[in-house]
Amino acid sequence: ETGVTQTPRHLVMGMTNKKSLKCEQHLGHNAMYWYKQSAKKPLELMFVYSLEERVENNSVPSRFSPECPNSSHLFLHLHTLQPEDSALYLCASSQVDRIYGYTFGSGTRLTVV
Amino acid sequence: EDKVVQSPLSLVVHEGDTVTLNCSYEVTNFRSLLWYKQEKKAPTFLFMLTSSGIEKKSGRLSSILDKKELFSILNITATQTGDSAVYLCAGGNAGGTSYGKLTFGQGTILTVHP
Repeated sequence: ETGVTQTPRHLVMGMTNKKSLKCEQHLGHNAMYWYKQSAKKPLELMFVYSLEERVENNSVPSRFSPECPNSSHLFLHLHTLQPEDSALYLCASSQVDRIYGYTFGSGTRLTVV
Repeated sequence: EDKVVQSPLSLVVHEGDTVTLNCSYEVTNFRSLLWYKQEKKAPTFLFMLTSSGIEKKSGRLSSILDKKELFSILNITATQTGDSAVYLCAGGNAGGTSYGKLTFGQGTILTVHP
């Protein structure tokens, strides 16, 4: 484990379902990130929370809804997804004022059927 | 728009070979260049480079940054099957009170055959 824990590891959901991905970090970091990794594409930054405030939202469709209740926890709520949303969703955390120590979780492999 | 390009996209070698992976970047307010190794899920940190011309080494891996040419390379000598992975390059623009935004390249898939 890297200090950033993501659950579940795998998720299969229908297009009409609602589910949530969870990320928890035990590193004392105060910035958390959601990335999407699709096959043969670069890691795409989706959302950034810095000091529990959402500071970046990279034109992500509204069917993805992030939540950061405190500096240790980050959620990604999913609803009415499309098959093209199938991907590996990675959470990361860091200290606000530094990149060194930027740590990724193991990801959730999401399949939308 | 920030951009990071890696080459080659894939590479197949035999154990004992030396490989060089390339990364070019265009990142606004660039601060550092990071290399990660991704085997199954979580990318794991290899190097962070902030200064030009200073080589960083870790065992058989080494990396160097050229801030004039906006370029970095990752070298792996005497490759082993355990080096098979996707190698990710990312440009970072954090610092001061800003959060750490990383822009990633597509990755290089390295396969090392026995």
